[in-house]
Amino acid sequence: DAKTTQPPSMDCAEGRAANLPCNHSTISGNEYVYWYRQIHSQGPQYIIHGLKNNETNEMASLIITEDRKSSTLILPHATLRDTAVYYCIAALIIQGAQKLVFGQGTRLTINP
Amino acid sequence: KAGVTQTPRYLIKTRGQQVTLSCSPISGHRSVSWYQQTPGQGLQFLFEYFSETQRNKGNFPGRFSGRQFSNSRSEMNVSTLELGDSALYLCASSLSGFEQYFGPGTRLTVT
Repeated sequence: DAKTTQPPSMDCAEGRAANLPCNHSTISGNEYVYWYRQIHSQGPQYIIHGLKNNETNEMASLIITEDRKSSTLILPHATLRDTAVYYCIAALIIQGAQKLVFGQGTRLTINP
Repeated sequence: KAGVTQTPRYLIKTRGQQVTLSCSPISGHRSVSWYQQTPGQGLQFLFEYFSETQRNKGNFPGRFSGRQFSNSRSEMNVSTLELGDSALYLCASSLSGFEQYFGPGTRLTVT
């Protein structure tokens, strides 16, 4: 699994877009990029994943660069409930089997 | 639909004892994964089961084992507990292999 690099912490004002970067320069062609978040004392929560194309769902957007060496998770209108640790993971899925290797993540604080 | 449930939520054990943790996946999910979370090492993958077979395994000693039943419920066992095994143990289930849904975890304290 490719190693990912994220800033340890970020701040964002409530109501603004939060843009969380992730570097995965050694990602292989068939590794997916996943984003999870963990709110204090809870289990991680799936946010979004992608392979090559940009993806959007009700929670967030995922922008993957054309060379796939980096990506950005966008929370379009951050709220205080989005304060959490955000994990960017590059992982293979082989016959449905997936092993997530979590790094240290980015601690995102949304300020009122 | 009910989420992933884990029992017990909290547990205190003594060094040398063994412990069994239980996980009930979301209905219809056949893949169950286990993770250990500690302040020092973060979230680490333990193993993953699908249809009662272990498909993936992390780098943990043999004291850590698991199994999955025909109804997809899973248990993990830790034998000869050490102080360093104190952690939050998380279970996650998956339908497609892409999205994993995590339970609230079992907080194990070893004294």
